[in-house]
Amino acid sequence: EADIYQTPRYLVIGTGKKITLECSQTMGHDKMYWYQQDPGMELHLIHYSYGVNSTEKGDLSSESTVSRIRTEHFPLTLESARPSHTSQYLCASRDSSGANVLTFGAGSRLTVL
Amino acid sequence: AQSVTQLDSQVPVFEEAPVELRCNYSSSVSVYLFWYVQYPNQGLQLLLKYLSGSTLVKGINGFEAEFNKSQTSFHLRKPSVHISDTAEYFCAVSRINNDMSFGAGTRLTVKP
Repeated sequence: EADIYQTPRYLVIGTGKKITLECSQTMGHDKMYWYQQDPGMELHLIHYSYGVNSTEKGDLSSESTVSRIRTEHFPLTLESARPSHTSQYLCASRDSSGANVLTFGAGSRLTVL
Repeated sequence: AQSVTQLDSQVPVFEEAPVELRCNYSSSVSVYLFWYVQYPNQGLQLLLKYLSGSTLVKGINGFEAEFNKSQTSFHLRKPSVHISDTAEYFCAVSRINNDMSFGAGTRLTVKP
């Protein structure tokens, strides 16, 4: 049973719309991440957070923004979606121990027409 | 910084055949090593991890991997694959308390 939840799983929207992808985890993990993954491609880190009110940009530049107001919640927002934003977005979390094991959500597949 | 190279982008095999998915990493310090599996339209699921101790690590679904420090490798193996093993496999590396770096993935296709 998943301890990290992403909604929506699938979203098809028109260009210019604002969208928010939700990510919640019940494990009390401090560290949370957003990855972008194009079909059959590697994962690219776009945002991460090491705790409440802490957010950083990842290795891949993204027009999306994130917030971390509560430990368990790490939503990603696109103010004006474009076809180039079409991708799968994966949320993950881990605790602050040294083991570094990431737990992933099932992903949100976004299609912008 | 650490990096990961998965040497094969696609590996086709027949059912019940053995398989090896290759992974090499580069890092100047000790690392943790991981293999994740991704089934279609799903997130990533941890297959196995090497943190310390025995260099042969056993994971779920009959997979195992061997850490070879001298060759900086962490190859994934299974002696007999099933159709249900068809998926994308990602090798990953991280340093203690640092973030994870992923390889580009290997698509394993098991044919009947």
